[in-house]
Parts: sequence; structure tokens; C-alpha cells
Amino acid sequence: AQTVTQSQPEMSVQEAETVTLSCTYDTSENNYYLFWYKQPPSRQMILVIRQEAYKQQNATENRFSVNFQKAAKSFSLKISDSQLGDTAMYFCAFMKHPNFGNEKLTFGTGTRLTIIP
Amino acid sequence: TAGITQAPTSQILAAGRSMTLRCTQDMRHNAMYWYRQDLGLGLRLIHYSNTAGTTGKGEVPDGYSVSRANTDDFPLTLASAVPSQTSVYFCASSAGERNEQFFGPGTRLTVL
Repeated sequence: AQTVTQSQPEMSVQEAETVTLSCTYDTSENNYYLFWYKQPPSRQMILVIRQEAYKQQNATENRFSVNFQKAAKSFSLKISDSQLGDTAMYFCAFMKHPNFGNEKLTFGTGTRLTIIP
Repeated sequence: TAGITQAPTSQILAAGRSMTLRCTQDMRHNAMYWYRQDLGLGLRLIHYSNTAGTTGKGEVPDGYSVSRANTDDFPLTLASAVPSQTSVYFCASSAGERNEQFFGPGTRLTVL
């Protein structure tokens, strides 16, 4: 079974600064996907970024980037030039590569991020 | 495009009563999922369906049942609600090579 650990329950940062959210996972799989989801106060789950384990290059999406360390089983999210709209709960999630059909997500417990004006 | 819709948005339910949470997607995704979100526990999978006509149990299936009569709909039923089922319930769907899951807006259920 897979587990995902987010060791920072809460974080806060000044607007325009950079913040890094940590995530580690445990799996015996070699091929898998990792995700960061954002959940603002509206409750909607929004996909922020996606990483395929077989790709060495770290994924980036505008101000969001990841530091994927496969050997260390670490998948941190960096938010640059943070904005007030980044205030949300952030969830790290793991999915093993599907052999048939689709696979479920295993979520961490989340990090509540507050951007301070 | 609506994506995934869930109904109701919120509900207060007396313990022992039954209830069905509705989920509909218009993206023609094969796979659908039900998760519950509890403070400090993240989201946990209740049931899933890889395609119409098939369902499977997730991490926390007890007290819940699902059906998948067609591609678009994936209702979640609580036969006899208990207070521990107080939670926010999310429906999700996925398809394609990117294996991304798209989530509905959630249903907040309170069982008293």
C-alpha cells in the first residue's frame, strides 16, 4: 500500500515571497504519478501540477514548480511570487501507473497555506 | 461544460435515515470515484467504478454502497446513516493517458 505524508499542517508567507510545501511518499512501485491539488475556501479541488515518475525533469506550471526526488521519495511544491489567491489547503497525492482502467489517488493530510498581505 | 455536478450541496440527516448523494459527469469519463474528506485525514476513497456496470471498494467502504448503471451517473447511498459519516463527500472522474482526476464541488453531510 502507498502512503503520502505532508509534515507541515500549516504554513504562512508574505505576499510576493516564495514558499515550499513538503511531501514524501512510500511505495514499492517504480512507475507512478504524483499530483498537487489546491483546495481554496470554495472547497473545489483544483489540480495544480502533475509529475510522471519516469520523467527526470521537474514539472512546472507558471509560478508553480516541483522538486521531484525519486530516490528520496520526495515531491515538494514551490510557489514563487505568492499571491493572495494562493491561500488554500494543498494536498499531495499519489497514483500508481494503471495497468487496466484507472487508478485511485492516495492523498496526504494537507498543508494549510496562508498568504499574508 | 458543466464537468461534474453533485447534489445536494449540503444536507443535515438524522441518524438511521438513508440518503443518496448524486453525482453526474458530462465528460464521458470511464472511471468515477467517491472520496470523503475529514479534518486531519485528507481525502479517502470510499468506492470506485472503472466503467459502467462495474464497481469496487476503496479504503473506507463500510456503510456505503454505489451503483453505475451508465457512464454519466455514480450515486452514493448511505443505507442507515451514523454520526461518523459526517463529512464532505467528493465525486471525481478520470479518463485518458494523463490519468488526471476531476472533482465535483462536494456535498457537506451532517448526521445528527
